Order: sequence, then C-alpha cells, then structure tokens
Amino acid sequence: DVVMTQTPVSLPVSLGGQASISCRSSQSLVHSNGNTYLHWYLQKPGQSPQLLIYRVSNRFSGVPDRFSGSGSGTDFTLKISRVEPEDLGDYYCLQSTHFPRTFGGGTKLELK
Amino acid sequence: EVQLVESGGGLVQPGRSLKLSCAASGFTFSNYYMAWVRQAPTKGLEWVASITNSGGSTYYRDSVKGRFTISRDNAKSTLYLQMDSLRSEDTATYYCTRDRGSLDYWGQGVMVTVSS
Repeated sequence: DVVMTQTPVSLPVSLGGQASISCRSSQSLVHSNGNTYLHWYLQKPGQSPQLLIYRVSNRFSGVPDRFSGSGSGTDFTLKISRVEPEDLGDYYCLQSTHFPRTFGGGTKLELK
Repeated sequence: EVQLVESGGGLVQPGRSLKLSCAASGFTFSNYYMAWVRQAPTKGLEWVASITNSGGSTYYRDSVKGRFTISRDNAKSTLYLQMDSLRSEDTATYYCTRDRGSLDYWGQGVMVTVSS
C-alpha cells in the first residue's frame, strides 16, 4: 500500500497568517495516464470532509483562492494564505492513483 | 445540488451483520464510481471500498475483503455496503462519497458501533 506521510500533525496559526502542510507518498503518484491523483480535504469539527484541491493544484468549486496546492511525484504541499476562522479543522491528503486509496494521517490547523 | 444521504447504522454485536444504504440525488448516479470511507472515533479517514459506475468491478481494503460487499442499484440511485462478521475495529462513522478519483461529494455519515 502507498503510505502517505503528512506533516506537521498540529499547526498553530494566527488569523491572517499563512499555513503550509506537507504530504509525502512512499511511491510516485503519477498514473500511467500521466495524471497525478493527489487531493486535499478539510474536515471542520462535527462535519463531513470537504474537497479543497483535486489532482495536486485544482481548486474545487467554491474554494477560495487562499488555498493552493503544488508538488509532483511524491512530494506535495497545501498552502493557506490569510487564514480565516472557518479554515480551522483537520486537513487530509488522499492519493487515488493506486488501490487501495490511502489518506495521510491528518494535520490539525488551530489558533496559536 | 448533489446530495448523499446514508442510513442503516446502529449498534450491532460482534460477528453480526449490518447493511448501509446511501441515497444519491442531484446527479446522474449511473455515470459515477462511488465509494465508502470510514472514520473511527477520534481517528483519521480510511477508504473502505469503491465500485465502478456499472457495478461490474469492486475494490476493497484488505481488512474488509471477504466480509464487506459494496453494491449499487442504478435504477434507485442507491449505494449499499453489506457488512458481515463485524468486529470491534469496524466501529466508525461511515461516509458515502462520489468517487471521481477525488472523492468530491460526501454524505453526512452514519455511525456503526460494534459492541457486545
């Protein structure tokens, strides 16, 4: 199975500040079709996860441009600029290039 | 508006069975793969199973292979998860998701508790 290592586990931030979350995979996430199936989710307290970024760098419908994704191969990053209160919660990366699909362990974004 | 509504959760004894349902609306159900993802209390997300749009192929994580069965009824726009031989470690909130590679829409989740 592809292991997704997400860091940090906890990330204290100030409102208006910037946050960066890393996700590394144990093998390349480049599919044979050339696409890279690495996605990012936010789970707010008491809610279902919501898709933020799909295929490395594409913002999902309605996601503000404060969220950006980058990376390639095995190394990926989610950046949040100008953090707002509604951005707080648990962030997860997901790879769907390989079965079984695997999630990172999560990063809790919280107020400093 | 895409909506996914799970049902069928509850408290069940170890070794018994439970069947989850997920009613989909707001999109052409038969055009999409679907999946189940679970989250044990205070833990992270764990993919459980996926099914192709026709239902012709299914995929499972190793820990549920042979015990869980994912299926769908495209005429009813409904996804199912038959869970047999349940174990305490299956205790979790189970989410129904639309699977486009990314899991783009999620239901509200249904709780399954396996305990004697």
